[in-house]
Amino acid sequence: DAGVIQSPRHEVTEMGQEVTLRCKPISGHDYLFWYRQTMMRGLELLIYFNNNVPIDDSGMPEDRFSAKMPNASFSTLKIQPSEPRDSAVYFCASSLTEDYNEQFFGPGTRLTVL
Amino acid sequence: AQSVTQPDIHITVSEGASLELRCNYSYGATPYLFWYVQSPGQGLQLLLKYFSGDTLVQGIKGFEAEFKRSQSSFNLRKPSVHWSDAAEYFCAVEYGNKLVFGAGTILRVKS
Repeated sequence: DAGVIQSPRHEVTEMGQEVTLRCKPISGHDYLFWYRQTMMRGLELLIYFNNNVPIDDSGMPEDRFSAKMPNASFSTLKIQPSEPRDSAVYFCASSLTEDYNEQFFGPGTRLTVL
Repeated sequence: AQSVTQPDIHITVSEGASLELRCNYSYGATPYLFWYVQSPGQGLQLLLKYFSGDTLVQGIKGFEAEFKRSQSSFNLRKPSVHWSDAAEYFCAVEYGNKLVFGAGTILRVKS
């Protein structure tokens, strides 16, 4: 298996633009997680899905952020409009349904908002 | 609330020396505990995990960790550090299908 795939790896955009980050989880994994990593706040969980359904979005910073999972093999995290403070590395992770819940992380998308 | 504390932001050790990274957690029930490693520009990779049973857990790359319930700790150890171990290490506790991460410890290895 190729592991968790994220695209793009790097994104540079201007303030006010829409940004879409993409994730393909490991096949067969029923849980998908979106994290944000910054120097100031460390690694934060934004939202996670189970069987394509959002379960907990309490970590989503504000309404400018939205996430979808239209099918078991694809998820998007959208920021509209983007702001400089959204600059961070965004990680996607997936895991099986079993109780031990080991998460496998993608390589991340480094977002820079100018 | 569940939390994970990694008291050391940076640690520097000499190559070949032993290593211990500290982790303390706050969680009411029996925890599921993890250590992840992140190399520069990379995602996180699982080193080891504890769910139950033997409190000394062996992981990849020669790492081990010991769960001590009385101290609410899950410290990571390696007997002899290699230059390739330089990275950032994160301790995490599972809470309701979610991982709560510590702030991380950056390990520097000097030759």
